[in-house]
Amino acid sequence: EVQLVESGGGLVQPGGSLRLSCEASGFTFSTYSMNWVRQAPGKGLEWVSYISSSSSTIYYADSVKGRFTISRDNAKNSLYLQMNSLRDEDTAVYYCARMKSGSYSGHWGQGTLVTVSS
Amino acid sequence: DIVMTQSPDSLAVSLGERATINCKSSQSVLYSSNSKNYLGWYQQKPGQPPKLLIYWASTRESGVPDRFSGSGSGTDFTLTISSLQAEDVAVYYCQQYYSTPHTFGQGTKLEIK
Repeated sequence: EVQLVESGGGLVQPGGSLRLSCEASGFTFSTYSMNWVRQAPGKGLEWVSYISSSSSTIYYADSVKGRFTISRDNAKNSLYLQMNSLRDEDTAVYYCARMKSGSYSGHWGQGTLVTVSS
Repeated sequence: DIVMTQSPDSLAVSLGERATINCKSSQSVLYSSNSKNYLGWYQQKPGQPPKLLIYWASTRESGVPDRFSGSGSGTDFTLTISSLQAEDVAVYYCQQYYSTPHTFGQGTKLEIK
């Protein structure tokens, strides 16, 4: 069974940093591209970042470019999101989502809540 | 960036009736080399992650009831629920993955009339 489990969320002050993790199981993680998608409380979905299976291709939303870094460790079946210089507007539930053959597959994690507040 | 616009923002439909949600992209999401529309539909219930219903604009995800269908091409797409069930109450989103950023529509809230 495919599983994606996010962790690392919490309360952080503006300007602070946090590292999110997404642990994958039930599939060959190293062969799939991955994404981070977030959802602010009561708001819609916002794509954050993409990383290819080999980490050779990476993209970011303009809203996080220069502050967030996506990475992966295929040996550990894990996806990461390093978030620096956090702002109030980064408060959201962060989901990891798998792609398959150029499309999104139906596999998302349950999400981890990041709250940026003083 | 490709802007995704859904209509309506909210919708109330009687049980057993048809529900239709529209999604328009600011530019085509049809990739000519493979004739695929890079468009997906999601259902989200409170406190849950989004659930993929449709990908490639019209391919139903495994396990999704056949009352859900997707149609359209290029810039105009539709999600149809042929006979609304109580468990279909949710917010529905379209998403393009033709180019980054993989933008979502603003969401359509579906309720029972």
